Amino acid sequence: QSVLTQPPSVSGAPGQRVTISCTGSSSNIGAGSDVHWYQQLPGTAPQVLIYDNNNRPSGVPDRFSGSKSGTSASLAITGLQAEDEADYYCQSYDSSLSGWVFGGGTKLTVL
Amino acid sequence: EVQLLESGGGLVQPGGSLRLSCAASGFTFNNFAMSWVRQAPGKGLEWVSAVGGSSEYKFYAESVKGRFTISRDNSKNMLYLQMNSLRAEDTAVYYCAKKKGAIFQSYYMDVWGKGTTVTVSS
Repeated sequence: QSVLTQPPSVSGAPGQRVTISCTGSSSNIGAGSDVHWYQQLPGTAPQVLIYDNNNRPSGVPDRFSGSKSGTSASLAITGLQAEDEADYYCQSYDSSLSGWVFGGGTKLTVL
Repeated sequence: EVQLLESGGGLVQPGGSLRLSCAASGFTFNNFAMSWVRQAPGKGLEWVSAVGGSSEYKFYAESVKGRFTISRDNSKNMLYLQMNSLRAEDTAVYYCAKKKGAIFQSYYMDVWGKGTTVTVSS
């Protein structure tokens, strides 16, 4: 299993708000490592959605936001749209593993 | 435009070897660390390896340590992944990614290639 734990799936109706959690430990998120989020649309490469816990690259709508507290982080998506249907991954650095780690991924379904 | 283009994937028998390449353009290649990330069919992302901008460090996931070797040629703006003793569980799409950040604890992948497919099967 993954070092970072995410729910396998979440869903919501258009216009609603959903959150995706990412739970780590004292050797990664809890040690102060930043959390980053990626969106992977079907059949495409991942792209960064949130970096350094709560920053959006240019071009990412402000409907997407990130937060971090303790050993966990969350991605929130408001005003859900059909085009948001994708897989979402969190990522951080693990000092015990001396490497970078991903969450198992969460599939977002827009009902 | 910043671009990464992977090549070298294919079908290989268990125990065989393969060398992946990644051609970078649109940025000062030697200023940035680079990574390989893979995704097995229907599965999530797995970080595989990373190399510093001047090859001052190289890190590997436990699952590939001792079998895979990452390298780069800054004169050619190229990143490589030499994969030996391949196993069925190495079957995946392999992505080349540019890393951004000031320290290891803040590194993330800000640019990704489209990936190259590696299939390990007899």
